[in-house]
Amino acid sequence: QKEVEQDPGPLSVPEGAIVSLNCTYSNSAFQYFMWYRQYSRKGPELLMYTYSSGNKEDGRFTAQVDKSSKYISLFIRDSQPSDSATYLCAMTQRRAGTASKLTFGTGTRLQVTL
Amino acid sequence: NAGVTQTPKFRVLKTGQSMTLLCAQDMNHEYMYWYRQDPGMGLRLIHYSVGEGTTAKGEVPDGYNVSRLKKQNFLLGLESAAPSQTSVYFCASSYLAGGPFGRGTGELFFGEGSRLTVL
Repeated sequence: QKEVEQDPGPLSVPEGAIVSLNCTYSNSAFQYFMWYRQYSRKGPELLMYTYSSGNKEDGRFTAQVDKSSKYISLFIRDSQPSDSATYLCAMTQRRAGTASKLTFGTGTRLQVTL
Repeated sequence: NAGVTQTPKFRVLKTGQSMTLLCAQDMNHEYMYWYRQDPGMGLRLIHYSVGEGTTAKGEVPDGYNVSRLKKQNFLLGLESAAPSQTSVYFCASSYLAGGPFGRGTGELFFGEGSRLTVL
């Protein structure tokens, strides 16, 4: 069983829809949770990060972490065609002074149609 | 700002050939990483470095070697390429914990990837 599970999709939604992307994980030591966005043939770029449990909002994006359920989510409101990309969840135990050895999900491919 | 630059972007090798991928970053980051990305497997860490002159093994290090002779460069070598090493390779870099941005998350900055095919 993988440490981080993520539905690969593809997920196709119409423009303006609310999108929900999710990951589950098995390692209870994970403390930092991130979402990376990867456009086709490009490198991933950090979209949002959260520490421990709770919500974080940034514009149309909301990240949620439920450590008790070992479940994280990314919500995209008013989705746009420019949101079409692969979304990777990532997480780490991260102790001070150590390298960021992230564990990634496999990514969910999102297509927002006109 | 160039950020993280990888060369070459594409390469085709025959089984048994050797090659080196070069990663360069201009952000003065301490940490550098090499990942491979395969369908259904996600990003997997090959090797990483916590500073000039240091290297360490990641999740899938077999068949690869690395060197960090200069802080800004991180080289990934394949001594004898195998078809199983066909993949997209990503280099990344990050600040120390609690770096200038104060995030403490060790955000990774990725290059655009190098597509390697081994025949």
